[in-house]
Amino acid sequence: AAGVIQSPRHLIKEKRETATLKCYPIPRHDTVYWYQQGPGQDPQFLISFYEKMQSDKGSIPDRFSAQQFSDYHSELNMSSLELGDSALYFCASSLQGPAEKLFFGSGTQLSVL
Amino acid sequence: AQSVSQHNHHVILSEAASLELGCNYSYGGTVNLFWYVQYPGQHLQLLLKYFSGDPLVKGIKGFEAEFIKSKFSFNLRKPSVQWSDTAEYFCAVNAPDTGRRALTFGSGTRLQVQP
Repeated sequence: AAGVIQSPRHLIKEKRETATLKCYPIPRHDTVYWYQQGPGQDPQFLISFYEKMQSDKGSIPDRFSAQQFSDYHSELNMSSLELGDSALYFCASSLQGPAEKLFFGSGTQLSVL
Repeated sequence: AQSVSQHNHHVILSEAASLELGCNYSYGGTVNLFWYVQYPGQHLQLLLKYFSGDPLVKGIKGFEAEFIKSKFSFNLRKPSVQWSDTAEYFCAVNAPDTGRRALTFGSGTRLQVQP
């Protein structure tokens, strides 16, 4: 069965550079969530989209932005990267409803040097 | 806003030992509760979830959790752990009546099972 696809798997950037992370949800899923997991830390919610509209916002820095496109894939854009942005970024998708279940991608490991 | 506390940061058990990982949340309204597992080098996977009904929830791989509303707890249990259960376990909550569906995670418990 198709799963949540994230690309790239690994990304190395330098300070002040920009990065774009992509997430392709499971087909027919209408909601995407982005999480940031720093080394040894619990996942922190960044932002979510439902039907291509931002539905919730967490601890996403102003330097980051995200959107969901017409084909439901989502991109997380990160500018002016800082060393502290080094983390695992993973997205999850779901289909809204009473039995909603999140499916997680494998994540993008971002290293900022 | 809701928050989640996992008091056991690192647990070391021998194979066949029983497991109980604590999870407490703070929110007075209706909650959905989840346990996720993250095996080394892998993404989070759902172990089990509670939305309503029977407070004793059974999940995959022999795990279960009990929702005790009066104690704001959702502890994870397994009668007999295996070496392959070595992983990080996250408790999570969301509060559907707030309109916020994003999960709030606990800090995780690292379980190490020794053969």
